[in-house]
Amino acid sequence: QSALTQPRSVSGSPGQSVTISCTGTSSDVGSYNYISWYQQHPGKAPKLMIYDVSKRPSGVPDRFSGSKSANTASLTISGLQAEDDADYYCCSYAGGPWVFGTGTKVTVL
Amino acid sequence: QVQLQESGPGLVKPSGTLSLTCTVSGVSISTHRYWSWVRQPPGKGLEWIGEINDGDHTTYNPSLKSRVTISADKSKNQFSLKLSYVTAADTAVYYCAMRWVQLGRKFDPWGQGTLVTVSS
Repeated sequence: QSALTQPRSVSGSPGQSVTISCTGTSSDVGSYNYISWYQQHPGKAPKLMIYDVSKRPSGVPDRFSGSKSANTASLTISGLQAEDDADYYCCSYAGGPWVFGTGTKVTVL
Repeated sequence: QVQLQESGPGLVKPSGTLSLTCTVSGVSISTHRYWSWVRQPPGKGLEWIGEINDGDHTTYNPSLKSRVTISADKSKNQFSLKLSYVTAADTAVYYCAMRWVQLGRKFDPWGQGTLVTVSS
């Protein structure tokens, strides 16, 4: 069971859009629609942003959206804001265990 | 409002056993949920450790399975983590989290996390 692969970092200016990919295998991302995304600011606990591939919890801005194609899931942040500067992790069910992504640092320029 | 709080020693000796407890408030751990542990080594990513459900069924990360035990104490509304034969590689912030079964598969909320250092 290996960690899902995410880009180490992505960046964008305020108002721009960024997309973070999360690549797994046919044993995890490709087989289940149980993909979630978490935002983590330094020294803080992770915060749920997206679950079940594309569902957004109440209170999460609609500029956050999720999708999946084959073995790759994606998180898009539209209209970047300063407070979106954080680490983001994807997570997938793997048929018993759960596996997290390697994490992506989003920098708002 | 559901809240989780980790507690336990912040320092464990190499080859010893790491023991942490997560106290849950706002919901009974006897409800249909999974109660999970996740860790994060300093400067690194998240790693799922394992979970227990309301029926005391446990699932563990295969890479840690031989050293991990997760249990629940419903009378105290707590669940616990034991990790044996620890090394410096087990130094991490340990989080407990609630995983939903109905209304979506998601880890939410999380505890604030507790740093455990493995050192002599």
